[in-house]
Amino acid sequence: ETGVTQTPRHLVMGMTNKKSLKCEQHLGHNAMYWYKQSAKKPLELMFVYSLEERVENNSVPSRFSPECPNSSHLFLHLHTLQPEDSALYLCASSQVDRDANEQFFGPGTRLTVL
Amino acid sequence: GEDVEQSLFLSVREGDSSVINCTYTDSSSTYLYWYKQEPGAGLQLLTYIFSNMDMKQDQRLTVLLNKKDKHLSLRIADTQTGDSAIYFCAERANTGFQKLVFGTGTRLLVSP
Repeated sequence: ETGVTQTPRHLVMGMTNKKSLKCEQHLGHNAMYWYKQSAKKPLELMFVYSLEERVENNSVPSRFSPECPNSSHLFLHLHTLQPEDSALYLCASSQVDRDANEQFFGPGTRLTVL
Repeated sequence: GEDVEQSLFLSVREGDSSVINCTYTDSSSTYLYWYKQEPGAGLQLLTYIFSNMDMKQDQRLTVLLNKKDKHLSLRIADTQTGDSAIYFCAERANTGFQKLVFGTGTRLLVSP
């Protein structure tokens, strides 16, 4: 595997379910990000982990719970979601001590909440 | 605060040049980026420019930066049907953890 991978690619869940999204980066980076992409809205940054510590949490509801067990893996645990949480969830990684700190994205998980 | 704006749609014919425009508000942005998103895929980094540069060229791509007007453009020469996608401009904010602030994206449609 190369780059940034995400599983599953598609997920349909009910409002009472608990599920997790997984992201893995194979680039040796030291920061990982979760973004939410909804139709007709700019990409919204949700969480940032740098060196496995959460450094940014953009007022995301507690029904979204991130976990970063090591620098290569990032999870987003979901519980009691709402239909408006349906979106494409994108993971990214970067090397923060590089000047440009370019972020590389995974293919995303398309989430539908019924 | 940071805000990035782009026009929503651009249509060109194959072989023509495409110019996608972006305006941003944070004059202290250090880097600006262009990403491409094809249907069903994540964002692919195309190129970036440092704020002390006016222009950067990379094969068919030319980025122009007018820092005074806070205007960024991406020119694609000899546009191909495979260039049809959504293009996002992003600025690196100086607040928060070097977060990227994205525009809403410009959908480029290339017709044969």
